[in-house]
Parts: sequence; C-alpha cells; structure tokens
Amino acid sequence: EAGVTQFPSHSVIEKGQTVTLRCDPISGHDNLYWYRRVMGKEIKFLLHFVKESKQDESGMPNNRFLAERTGGTYSTLKVQPAELEDSGVYFCASSQGALPYEQYFGPGTRLTVT
Amino acid sequence: ILNVEQSPQSLHVQEGDSTNFTCSFPSSNFYALHWYRWETAKSPEALFVMTLNGDEKKKGRISATLNTKEGYSYLYIKGSQPEDSATYLCARNSGGSNYKLTFGKGTLLTVNP
Repeated sequence: EAGVTQFPSHSVIEKGQTVTLRCDPISGHDNLYWYRRVMGKEIKFLLHFVKESKQDESGMPNNRFLAERTGGTYSTLKVQPAELEDSGVYFCASSQGALPYEQYFGPGTRLTVT
Repeated sequence: ILNVEQSPQSLHVQEGDSTNFTCSFPSSNFYALHWYRWETAKSPEALFVMTLNGDEKKKGRISATLNTKEGYSYLYIKGSQPEDSATYLCARNSGGSNYKLTFGKGTLLTVNP
C-alpha cells in the first residue's frame, strides 16, 4: 500500500511569489491534515479535511493560505503571496475511520522563501 | 502544563546504552498520546498510540508508558543502536470532533557507534 505522498519535496521561491503544494493521502482515507514545522519550533496543525469538507481550519495563519480537496482525494495548499515567515516544512497526513487514531504522515515539502 | 513539552531537547548516547525521554501534556480533555520517530526528509513514523492511563506498549527495543492523570509519557530505548538516531516526537489529541495533533518540539537522539 502506498503511503502519503507530497510534491514537490523542496521548493525555493521569492517573496511575493505563489507556491502550490500537493498531497496524495493513503487511498481510502477520508481524513486529511496539513501541518507545518517552522525551524526550531514544533509541528503545528493547519487544517483538517473530511473528504472534501473543511472540518477544522483553526490553524491556518492568514488568508494568504488556501487549501482545497476537490473530490475528496488529493489536496493542494496554495500560498499567495509568499512571505519570508512562511518558510518551513509542510507535512500532510491522513487517517481513516471516525476515531482520530494513527495519522500517517508524508515526507513533507520543504519551502524556502527568499 | 498548557502545551506538550518534551525533554531533553537533545541527547547523545553511546551504542548499547539505554535511554529514555519524557513527554508532558495537559491532562484535561485527554484522548490519545502519539509517539513518532522522524528522520529529516523522511515521513514521521508512528511508533505508538496510547489512550488509557497505565498503558504500556512495546515495539522491539522501544517501549512507552502513559500516565493520563498526571499528564506524562515516557519513551524508552533499550540498547541504543546508531540507526535509532532520529527526532522522537510526541503529540496529543483531545478527541471529540477535534482530530488535530498538538506536538512537542521533539527530542533529538544521536547514538554514537
């Protein structure tokens, strides 16, 4: 069974540009999560999808971040326009069922904004 | 305790040593405690999920315990090997309709051969 995959693995962009990150969850997992780790800090929750619906987006930093999950399969996270403080590792995770048990993580996308 | 806290922040041990780390968390509204092992540029790997006070789980040389009343969990590694070098993360979720994980900063373990 394929794990959670993320694309790209690295992205370097200039301040003001737009970047779109993609996450493909484990097949059949209804729950999809985005997290971010800024260097030196803990991994922080951004948002949670159940199928195509946003269940909890309390962790989204501001309206420069837009997450979508059309059709309830893969998800994209767009940052527009990117700022220096957006640099970090963006993780996607997925889980199945109604219980918030094991969340399976992807390898992350390392975003550097210069 | 308001947040998930892990100690120590980093740890260097020799191959063969046994070691342990601590994760402290708010004991109110507790649902589950997760331990992950993470090597940079790889996916964090789930080690354990524990929900009940007194839970003990074991996976090879790694084991974990949980105390939900006082809000702490210990992770133990017996006979550390260089391949155990990684960041060990703990995370808590409070259940209900709230699925998000709240992470600590992690403990970076380096095992010297």
